[in-house]
Amino acid sequence: DAKTTQPPSMDCAEGRAANLPCNHSTISGNEYVYWYRQIHSQGPQYIIHGLKNNETNEMASLIITEDRKSSTLILPHATLRDTAVYYCIVRALSQNFVFGPGTRLSVLP
Amino acid sequence: DGGITQSPKYLFRKEGQNVTLSCEQNLNHDAMYWYRQDPGQGLRLIYYSQIVNDFQKGDIAEGYSVSREKKESFPLTVTSAQKNPTAFYLCASSPQRTTTDTQYFGPGTRLTVL
Repeated sequence: DAKTTQPPSMDCAEGRAANLPCNHSTISGNEYVYWYRQIHSQGPQYIIHGLKNNETNEMASLIITEDRKSSTLILPHATLRDTAVYYCIVRALSQNFVFGPGTRLSVLP
Repeated sequence: DGGITQSPKYLFRKEGQNVTLSCEQNLNHDAMYWYRQDPGQGLRLIYYSQIVNDFQKGDIAEGYSVSREKKESFPLTVTSAQKNPTAFYLCASSPQRTTTDTQYFGPGTRLTVL
């Protein structure tokens, strides 16, 4: 069974915040939440990861709910170049990464 | 520039032929990985290596083989036993496997078997 559930697709207007949800209701205490994205026909690119606390870097913010059963990736000002498939991955350190189908984000002009 | 290179970007082979995909990294990473991606799907792990001269099967190893004779190189051979080899193949590396270290991906090789 998949550890994460993401909507298959989302649209976002250019310049607006893109909020990508991820459900991981069976997450264990030692599992991290990672986000990657893949622009068409390229290798995936790491975005951000976290365990319990919210995280922010130059690309995005990661908001993890207090019960850790879901999270949201926020791209604060989406551009056309943010159009990609976004993968939410839950992983303990002893485990391999498992990339599901992800969410296809389309940023519209 | 540091990074991961995969060559070639596009590869065509006739059915029944073995083919080897190249993956090289100059990041001094211990761990390397091979994934397969089919259209509209996520990535599936074929093989991974945590250290030189050691590798483990991933979720879909049948019909594939690897070697790790050098730290910087992790070639993947798609054998004639692989029933449906046409796919996008991605190589990745990370400093180590069992840490929070993230994986860095190469640009991929698109293999088409005719």
